[in-house]
Amino acid sequence: QSVLTQPPSASGTPGQRVTISCSGSSSNIGSKAVNWYQQLPGTAPKLLIYRNNQRPSGVPDRFSGSKSGTSASLAISGLQSEDEADYYCAAWDDSSYVFGTGTKVTVL
Amino acid sequence: EVQLVQSGAEVKKPGESLKISCKGSGYSFTSYWIGWVRQMPGKGLEWMGIIYPGDSDTRYSPSFQGQVTISADKSISTAYLQWSSLKASDTAMYYCARRAKSYYYYMDVWGKGTTVTVSS
Repeated sequence: QSVLTQPPSASGTPGQRVTISCSGSSSNIGSKAVNWYQQLPGTAPKLLIYRNNQRPSGVPDRFSGSKSGTSASLAISGLQSEDEADYYCAAWDDSSYVFGTGTKVTVL
Repeated sequence: EVQLVQSGAEVKKPGESLKISCKGSGYSFTSYWIGWVRQMPGKGLEWMGIIYPGDSDTRYSPSFQGQVTISADKSISTAYLQWSSLKASDTAMYYCARRAKSYYYYMDVWGKGTTVTVSS
């Protein structure tokens, strides 16, 4: 059972802005950096955001991350059809790396 | 190009043993931690543990401690995940991933995954 809670689903039409939340505690998000991974259907996860708000080379700037207290958020602005995927937050917690419960983003 | 190449799909019976592999290339294999992540059918990601091939220092998630063994052979740039007695509940996709060389903890390169099916 994950210690990082995300909404099961989110959706939007092309061009819209979608936000995904990730709720944790003082032992993970409250004291450690948050990362986000994107998993396109049938593929391996891919690093999307690291260190709360940093994008790896090649990740479009329509993806952005933020953190406040024990919660974090991933925003996708200008939603595109290829953004339809599962998104996971993650952070270090005590003695283990933990992933969020995952959010399926659907482009309507 | 930095790559992690995982071994092929496996179909096993309950009680059998298994060792799957993850070969790194395009970077100094001994200088980066390699982690393993489980994804059960239709479910989310679970961190299993991690190894530093340079000295074989290994850490396990409490959920997987004693259930699997993580190892590495630095001479062939390969990390392993093994089971001594598989259960049906081990049926899943298993990913290896490299931890970035950073003070911050994140996995920057992922393998394509190995499907493990355990069925009688």
